[in-house]
Amino acid sequence: SQTIHQWPATLVQPVGSPLSLECTVEGTSNPNLYWYRQAAGRGLQLLFYSVGIGQISSEVPQNLSASRPQDRQFILSSKKLLLSDSGFYLCAWTDQVVAFFGQGTRLTVV
Amino acid sequence: DQQVKQNSPSLSVQEGRISILNCDYTNSMFDYFLWYKKYPAEGPTFLISISSIKDKNEDGRFTVFLNKSAKHLSLHIVPSQPGDSAVYFCAASPKGGAGSYQLTFGKGTKLSVIP
Repeated sequence: SQTIHQWPATLVQPVGSPLSLECTVEGTSNPNLYWYRQAAGRGLQLLFYSVGIGQISSEVPQNLSASRPQDRQFILSSKKLLLSDSGFYLCAWTDQVVAFFGQGTRLTVV
Repeated sequence: DQQVKQNSPSLSVQEGRISILNCDYTNSMFDYFLWYKKYPAEGPTFLISISSIKDKNEDGRFTVFLNKSAKHLSLHIVPSQPGDSAVYFCAASPKGGAGSYQLTFGKGTKLSVIP
């Protein structure tokens, strides 16, 4: 069966520091991968999606970037965090019908 | 422009009664609709879905109804249980091949089931 791992679960970072969140999927090949963010009191906002290694599409212009160095690895990064980057970040993969989410990372920028 | 709307931010229901969560959409290209359940500090988990060619899908205590002409869907939970207390997200996706599959989410409705 397929599983998705996302870490860390919580992260507190100072403004201006870099960020790296990692997500890996097991049990499937060439999945579509996604990064979402849930800001306080808001819904799930799609940030990036990837249909293959090195292929990244950005939905929202921002301070973040994504990379897919391997088939089942998806990384969310920032060179300098802003206070507005705080939120709950979710990685997901799809089987073209349903999206399956990781446990999420609670990022607090202080 | 919000393409998927959940107009009720919260809902309280007595245990054993029916919970009805509503969702409206504006994009006629949406072809597939899903409901997710989310507990605090966890990722959303898939609950139930419905294709635009159907008007009803049932799975145990959960039933989703789709009214395409009204661009409206609803999730019914019967009977409601305290463990159903969570945030419920409605999501929709358009038709398309590989690479175009994307979900658009509503802002969620927080359901509280009172024992």
